Order: sequence, then C-alpha cells, then structure tokens
Amino acid sequence: EPEVTQTPSHQVTQMGQEVILRCVPISNHLYFYWYRQILGQKVEFLVSFYNNEISEKSEIFDDQFSVERPDGSNFTLKIRSTKLEDSAMYFCASSEVVRGQAFFGQGTRLTVV
Amino acid sequence: ILNVEQSPQSLHVQEGDSTNFTCSFPSSNFYALHWYRWETAKSPEALFVMTLNGDEKKKGRISATLNTKEGYSYLYIKGSQPEDSATYLCASYNAGGTSYGKLTFGQGTILTVHP
Repeated sequence: EPEVTQTPSHQVTQMGQEVILRCVPISNHLYFYWYRQILGQKVEFLVSFYNNEISEKSEIFDDQFSVERPDGSNFTLKIRSTKLEDSAMYFCASSEVVRGQAFFGQGTRLTVV
Repeated sequence: ILNVEQSPQSLHVQEGDSTNFTCSFPSSNFYALHWYRWETAKSPEALFVMTLNGDEKKKGRISATLNTKEGYSYLYIKGSQPEDSATYLCASYNAGGTSYGKLTFGQGTILTVHP
C-alpha cells in the first residue's frame, strides 16, 4: 500500500541551526502539507503546497520556514534558524485532490537544544 | 478561528467493553470530517472521511456518525480489544475563502484498553 515516508525520524539540533525535514509523498498525489504537534498540544497546520507553490500557510509559517519540491518525489521543510519553541513532531501529508483524504507520514521529532 | 474539540481527553476501558467518544466542530462552511487512529511512532491511520449529514460509516468494530447541523461526530468501538489502544483524532475541513485543504484537528482522545 502506498505510504508517505519521512526522514529522519528524530533530529536533534542546536538553537540557531538550520534543519531540513524530508518527505516522500504518495506518488500520484498533487497536494502536499506540513503539520506539527508540540508536545501536549493539538496537531496544527503549517502549510499546503500545490503546483509548485504555496497555496495556504498559517501564522506559524513565518519567514524562517520554507518548503520546496526539489524533484518529482521529495517535499522538504526547511527551518532556517531554529528556536527552542520549534521543538515538535512534524508531519508531512499528501492528498490526491484538494480537501481529499490526507495520508500522513510517521513524523519527524525535532528537538532544539 | 475554527475550533475542534474532542471528549473525553482519555479513556480507560476493559477488554470487551464498548466505548464511544465525541468530536465537535464548526458547522458553518463545513466540508468534511476525518477520523484518524494514531499509535505512537506510527503514521496516523485514516479511519473515515465523512461529508453528509446523517452519514454513518463502519470499519470492522469501529463506526462513526455525523451531524453537520449541530456540528458533532461520534466514534464507536464495539467490543474493545487491547490493540485498539491508540489516540483517536478528528479533523475538520471547512471550506470558504482561499482554504486549500487545511485540516483543523481536535486534541485527540487517548484510549487504553486493559486486558
């Protein structure tokens, strides 16, 4: 069964460093998303991506965040200068159609120290 | 700001018990309600996508109902088994504006089924 895969599963980084979280969405999907869950809080939307551009972003997704689809298979989230409050589980998701069933990866746990 | 709420926050039941929990969501501009089952260290697994008022969906021992007019959905598990232990998440798509598929999640219900 097709699945969304994310790497790494866990990343520890120093405050101020840049991190790139990687995702391989399901191959025939056209819509891609990043969500995150800070420990003890709700899963929250960061950004959606369609047709090689951002289609929607939340207030959290400020200038330190960026997304890219560098080739036909990968979808990345870059955090330029990490802060302690960026520590969270980051989920990638993809869907075939807009507002369709979203399939999630297993998440990357980012710890900023 | 959309607010999706789930209750209870956690639930402990004995094997064989039937259980249910609630998701409430904004009824305005409603498009779809999704239920996910999430076990630690695994991907959230899609259970149901519900769109129509009065929808009832079933998958094995798990079923769900939807009331879009009052903005709630119930998830039922019949004859709970230890392997049902997980966090159950609901998430709402509300249309309108320039929304391109942003899911708004509830905080989840943590279910523990004791043997």
